[in-house]
Amino acid sequence: DIQMTQSPSFLSASVGDRVTINCKASQNINKYLNWYQQKLGEAPKRLIYNTNNLQTGIPSRFSGSGSGTDYTLTISSLQPEDFATYFCLQHNSFPWTFGGGTKLELK
Amino acid sequence: QVTLKESGPGILQPSHTLSLTCSFSGFSLSTYGMGVSWIRQPSGKGLEWLASIWWNGNTYNNPSLKSRLTVSKDTSNNQAFLKVTSVDTADTATYYCAHTRYYDGYYPFDYWGQGVMVTVSS
Repeated sequence: DIQMTQSPSFLSASVGDRVTINCKASQNINKYLNWYQQKLGEAPKRLIYNTNNLQTGIPSRFSGSGSGTDYTLTISSLQPEDFATYFCLQHNSFPWTFGGGTKLELK
Repeated sequence: QVTLKESGPGILQPSHTLSLTCSFSGFSLSTYGMGVSWIRQPSGKGLEWLASIWWNGNTYNNPSLKSRLTVSKDTSNNQAFLKVTSVDTADTATYYCAHTRYYDGYYPFDYWGQGVMVTVSS
Protein backbone atom coordinates (compact mmCIF):
# COMPACT_ATOMS: atom_id res chain seq x y z
CA ASP A 1 0.00 0.00 0.00
CA ILE A 2 1.10 3.58 -0.63
CA GLN A 3 1.47 5.51 2.61
CA MET A 4 0.54 9.20 2.58
CA THR A 5 2.28 11.34 5.19
CA GLN A 6 0.55 14.66 5.62
CA SER A 7 2.05 17.64 7.42
CA PRO A 8 1.53 19.51 9.57
CA SER A 9 -1.19 17.73 11.55
CA PHE A 10 -2.25 21.05 13.09
CA LEU A 11 -1.82 24.55 11.77
CA SER A 12 -2.76 27.82 13.44
CA ALA A 13 -3.16 30.79 11.15
CA SER A 14 -4.95 34.10 10.79
CA VAL A 15 -7.38 35.43 8.23
CA GLY A 16 -5.38 36.70 5.27
CA ASP A 17 -2.43 34.35 5.83
CA ARG A 18 -0.94 32.20 3.11
CA VAL A 19 -0.74 28.58 4.20
CA THR A 20 0.65 25.41 2.73
CA ILE A 21 -0.16 21.81 3.56
CA ASN A 22 2.01 18.96 2.37
CA CYS A 23 1.54 15.33 1.49
CA LYS A 24 4.38 12.95 0.88
CA ALA A 25 3.75 9.59 -0.74
CA SER A 26 5.82 6.49 -0.01
CA GLN A 27 6.32 6.08 -3.77
CA ASN A 28 5.70 7.97 -6.99
CA ILE A 29 1.97 8.58 -7.43
CA ASN A 30 2.19 10.23 -10.86
CA LYS A 31 0.21 13.32 -9.85
CA TYR A 32 -2.86 11.25 -8.96
CA LEU A 33 -3.44 13.32 -5.86
CA ASN A 34 -6.64 14.98 -4.66
CA TRP A 35 -7.29 17.43 -1.83
CA TYR A 36 -10.45 17.50 0.30
CA GLN A 37 -11.80 19.91 2.85
CA GLN A 38 -13.96 18.71 5.72
CA LYS A 39 -15.85 20.91 8.14
CA LEU A 40 -17.10 19.62 11.47
CA GLY A 41 -20.09 17.35 11.06
CA GLU A 42 -20.00 17.48 7.27
CA ALA A 43 -18.86 15.19 4.49
CA PRO A 44 -15.56 16.00 2.80
CA LYS A 45 -15.60 18.23 -0.25
CA ARG A 46 -13.19 17.87 -3.16
CA LEU A 47 -11.08 20.97 -3.75
CA ILE A 48 -8.38 19.85 -6.15
CA TYR A 49 -8.04 16.78 -8.35
CA ASN A 50 -5.00 15.35 -10.11
CA THR A 51 -2.61 17.65 -8.26
CA ASN A 52 -3.56 21.02 -9.66
CA ASN A 53 -7.06 20.98 -11.14
CA LEU A 54 -9.51 23.17 -9.26
CA GLN A 55 -12.91 21.64 -8.66
CA THR A 56 -15.76 23.65 -10.16
CA GLY A 57 -17.04 26.22 -7.69
CA ILE A 58 -13.93 26.23 -5.51
CA PRO A 59 -12.35 29.67 -5.03
CA SER A 60 -9.12 30.38 -6.85
CA ARG A 61 -7.29 31.06 -3.59
CA PHE A 62 -6.92 27.27 -3.41
CA SER A 63 -4.21 25.74 -5.55
CA GLY A 64 -2.25 22.52 -5.74
CA SER A 65 1.16 21.57 -6.96
CA GLY A 66 3.63 18.74 -6.88
CA SER A 67 4.97 15.71 -8.63
CA GLY A 68 6.52 12.37 -7.86
CA THR A 69 6.12 11.83 -4.14
CA ASP A 70 5.65 15.42 -2.89
CA TYR A 71 2.48 17.49 -3.13
CA THR A 72 1.25 20.78 -1.71
CA LEU A 73 -2.05 22.50 -1.15
CA THR A 74 -1.78 26.28 -0.91
CA ILE A 75 -4.41 28.69 0.32
CA SER A 76 -3.26 32.10 -0.79
CA SER A 77 -5.26 34.27 1.59
CA LEU A 78 -7.20 32.51 4.33
CA GLN A 79 -10.85 33.36 4.70
CA PRO A 80 -12.96 32.64 7.80
CA GLU A 81 -14.75 29.77 6.04
CA ASP A 82 -11.44 28.00 5.31
CA PHE A 83 -10.86 26.88 8.89
CA ALA A 84 -11.43 23.15 8.57
CA THR A 85 -9.58 19.86 8.23
CA TYR A 86 -7.85 19.01 4.97
CA PHE A 87 -7.02 15.57 3.60
CA CYS A 88 -5.03 14.38 0.63
CA LEU A 89 -5.87 11.22 -1.31
CA GLN A 90 -3.69 9.21 -3.65
CA HIS A 91 -5.50 7.35 -6.41
CA ASN A 92 -2.50 6.16 -8.35
CA SER A 93 -2.99 2.58 -7.23
CA PHE A 94 -5.36 0.51 -5.16
CA PRO A 95 -5.94 0.60 -2.27
CA TRP A 96 -6.51 4.32 -2.49
CA THR A 97 -5.14 5.94 0.64
CA PHE A 98 -5.65 9.21 2.47
CA GLY A 99 -3.25 11.37 4.39
CA GLY A 100 -3.84 11.70 8.12
CA GLY A 101 -5.33 15.18 7.85
CA THR A 102 -4.38 18.75 8.72
CA LYS A 103 -6.58 20.69 11.11
CA LEU A 104 -6.41 24.37 10.26
CA GLU A 105 -7.33 26.51 13.24
CA LEU A 106 -7.76 30.20 13.84
CA LYS A 107 -4.80 31.71 15.65
CA GLN B 1 -27.26 17.26 -10.09
CA VAL B 2 -25.61 14.34 -8.33
CA THR B 3 -26.83 13.46 -4.86
CA LEU B 4 -26.16 10.45 -2.67
CA LYS B 5 -27.57 9.33 0.65
CA GLU B 6 -26.52 6.48 2.89
CA SER B 7 -28.80 4.43 5.11
CA GLY B 8 -28.07 1.73 7.62
CA PRO B 9 -28.91 0.17 10.99
CA GLY B 10 -27.34 2.78 13.28
CA ILE B 11 -26.25 0.24 15.85
CA LEU B 12 -25.44 -3.47 15.65
CA GLN B 13 -23.81 -6.12 17.75
CA PRO B 14 -20.31 -7.52 17.39
CA SER B 15 -19.94 -10.46 15.01
CA HIS B 16 -23.02 -9.38 13.06
CA THR B 17 -23.11 -8.24 9.44
CA LEU B 18 -23.37 -4.55 8.61
CA SER B 19 -25.53 -3.75 5.60
CA LEU B 20 -25.53 -0.26 4.14
CA THR B 21 -27.41 1.23 1.21
CA CYS B 22 -26.40 4.18 -0.93
CA SER B 23 -29.33 5.71 -2.80
CA PHE B 24 -28.31 8.16 -5.49
CA SER B 25 -29.60 10.35 -8.27
CA GLY B 26 -28.11 12.34 -11.11
CA PHE B 27 -26.22 9.45 -12.68
CA SER B 28 -26.69 5.81 -13.53
CA LEU B 29 -24.49 2.90 -12.55
CA SER B 30 -25.18 1.43 -15.96
CA THR B 31 -23.45 4.34 -17.72
CA TYR B 32 -19.86 3.90 -18.83
CA GLY B 33 -17.38 5.31 -16.34
CA MET B 34 -19.72 5.67 -13.38
CA GLY B 35 -18.89 4.22 -10.01
CA VAL B 36 -19.79 4.39 -6.33
CA SER B 37 -17.23 4.13 -3.58
CA TRP B 38 -17.48 3.57 0.15
CA ILE B 39 -15.31 5.41 2.65
CA ARG B 40 -15.45 5.39 6.44
CA GLN B 41 -14.24 7.66 9.21
CA PRO B 42 -14.09 6.81 12.90
CA SER B 43 -15.10 9.73 15.05
CA GLY B 44 -12.34 12.32 15.20
CA LYS B 45 -10.05 10.30 12.94
CA GLY B 46 -9.03 10.02 9.33
CA LEU B 47 -10.62 8.59 6.21
CA GLU B 48 -10.31 5.05 4.91
CA TRP B 49 -11.36 3.97 1.41
CA LEU B 50 -13.21 0.66 1.63
CA ALA B 51 -14.44 -0.35 -1.80
CA SER B 52 -15.67 0.77 -5.19
CA ILE B 53 -18.13 -0.70 -7.66
CA TRP B 54 -18.23 0.27 -11.33
CA TRP B 55 -20.72 0.49 -14.16
CA ASN B 56 -19.42 -2.78 -15.61
CA GLY B 57 -19.82 -4.69 -12.32
CA ASN B 58 -16.13 -4.66 -11.45
CA THR B 59 -15.34 -4.14 -7.81
CA TYR B 60 -12.23 -3.21 -5.86
CA ASN B 61 -11.98 -3.80 -2.15
CA ASN B 62 -9.46 -2.61 0.39
CA PRO B 63 -7.44 -5.71 1.31
CA SER B 64 -7.01 -4.38 4.87
CA LEU B 65 -10.51 -5.68 5.55
CA LYS B 66 -9.58 -9.00 4.00
CA SER B 67 -12.65 -10.78 2.69
CA ARG B 68 -15.16 -9.06 4.99
CA LEU B 69 -16.41 -6.62 2.35
CA THR B 70 -18.97 -7.14 -0.37
CA VAL B 71 -20.17 -4.38 -2.67
CA SER B 72 -23.07 -4.71 -5.06
CA LYS B 73 -25.51 -2.57 -7.00
CA ASP B 74 -29.10 -2.37 -8.14
CA THR B 75 -28.94 -0.36 -11.33
CA SER B 76 -32.69 -0.21 -11.82
CA ASN B 77 -33.24 1.44 -8.46
CA ASN B 78 -30.09 3.60 -8.42
CA GLN B 79 -28.66 1.97 -5.34
CA ALA B 80 -25.34 0.56 -4.24
CA PHE B 81 -24.74 -1.65 -1.25
CA LEU B 82 -21.95 -2.45 1.16
CA LYS B 83 -21.84 -5.45 3.46
CA VAL B 84 -19.24 -5.87 6.18
CA THR B 85 -19.22 -9.22 7.93
CA SER B 86 -18.07 -10.08 11.45
CA VAL B 87 -18.07 -6.50 12.70
CA ASP B 88 -16.37 -5.46 15.89
CA THR B 89 -15.94 -2.18 17.75
CA ALA B 90 -13.18 -1.12 15.37
CA ASP B 91 -15.84 -0.87 12.64
CA THR B 92 -17.62 1.91 14.52
CA ALA B 93 -17.48 4.90 12.18
CA THR B 94 -19.37 7.22 9.89
CA TYR B 95 -19.73 5.51 6.53
CA TYR B 96 -19.91 7.58 3.35
CA CYS B 97 -20.71 6.69 -0.21
CA ALA B 98 -19.26 8.86 -2.93
CA HIS B 99 -19.58 9.20 -6.69
CA THR B 100 -16.48 8.08 -8.52
CA ARG B 101 -15.80 8.42 -12.19
CA TYR B 102 -13.54 6.66 -14.65
CA TYR B 103 -12.55 8.38 -17.86
CA ASP B 104 -9.05 7.65 -19.06
CA GLY B 105 -8.16 7.40 -15.38
CA TYR B 106 -9.96 7.56 -12.07
CA TYR B 107 -11.67 10.64 -10.66
CA PRO B 108 -12.58 9.71 -7.10
CA PHE B 109 -15.09 11.21 -4.74
CA ASP B 110 -16.36 14.33 -6.46
CA TYR B 111 -19.75 14.04 -4.74
CA TRP B 112 -20.39 12.61 -1.28
CA GLY B 113 -23.37 11.51 0.72
CA GLN B 114 -24.00 13.03 4.13
CA GLY B 115 -22.73 9.90 5.86
CA VAL B 116 -24.38 7.43 8.21
CA MET B 117 -23.08 6.75 11.69
CA VAL B 118 -22.67 3.10 12.61
CA THR B 119 -21.96 1.93 16.14
CA VAL B 120 -20.92 -1.61 16.97
CA SER B 121 -21.76 -2.39 20.54
CA SER B 122 -23.08 -5.24 22.62
